[in-house]
Amino acid sequence: KAGVTQTPRYLIKTRGQQVTLSCSPISGHRSVSWYQQTPGQGLQFLFEYFSETQRNKGNFPGRFSGRQFSNSRSEMNVSTLELGDSALYLCASSFTGWGTSGANVLTFGAGSRLTVL
Amino acid sequence: EDKVVQSPLSLVVHEGDTVTLNCSYEVTNFRSLLWYKQEKKAPTFLFMLTSSGIEKKSGRLSSILDKKELFSILNITATQTGDSAIYLCAANAGNNRKLIWGLGTSLAVNP
Repeated sequence: KAGVTQTPRYLIKTRGQQVTLSCSPISGHRSVSWYQQTPGQGLQFLFEYFSETQRNKGNFPGRFSGRQFSNSRSEMNVSTLELGDSALYLCASSFTGWGTSGANVLTFGAGSRLTVL
Repeated sequence: EDKVVQSPLSLVVHEGDTVTLNCSYEVTNFRSLLWYKQEKKAPTFLFMLTSSGIEKKSGRLSSILDKKELFSILNITATQTGDSAIYLCAANAGNNRKLIWGLGTSLAVNP
């Protein structure tokens, strides 16, 4: 079956611009989580969506937002980009999501690498 | 504060060597520990550990959890260049089953 698909894979933006990243989860998965990965900070949790509702949120400023559609596809948006937003943005899907039984094994996409100049 | 610490942060070995990667955790309401391998793309799932002392094994990779001492190890025997990657561990914890990630161990296997 198809894996988690993220688009675009690479993008370059300048400070002050905004960006939208897309994630298509594995068919049947209802939970989508977003992470920011940088060499110094590792994987930082952004937010999780389940059935179109944001269920959990990390400690990121309001410039970072997301949404999930009825087909479970998710988008995240970063407005007013800063140099420090340069990172690999990973999306991960799971069937159960958080807050349910099971250990929440995530399947990751290949990521969107954002460079802010 | 919940935290996961991996050591070493980086490691360089020769093909055929055996390596042990460490992951210690301090989290509330611990549920399970997960290991992932990340090459230059998506992290891929390796193991999920929930019970102490029970080894999980997949080919040359194995992992075990010690819930008393709050750590897990990932062993790779007879390493190959294809094992070069970042190995991530995460603790599944809390009432909302939050995942707490370590910074990862960067493993380089030289021929």
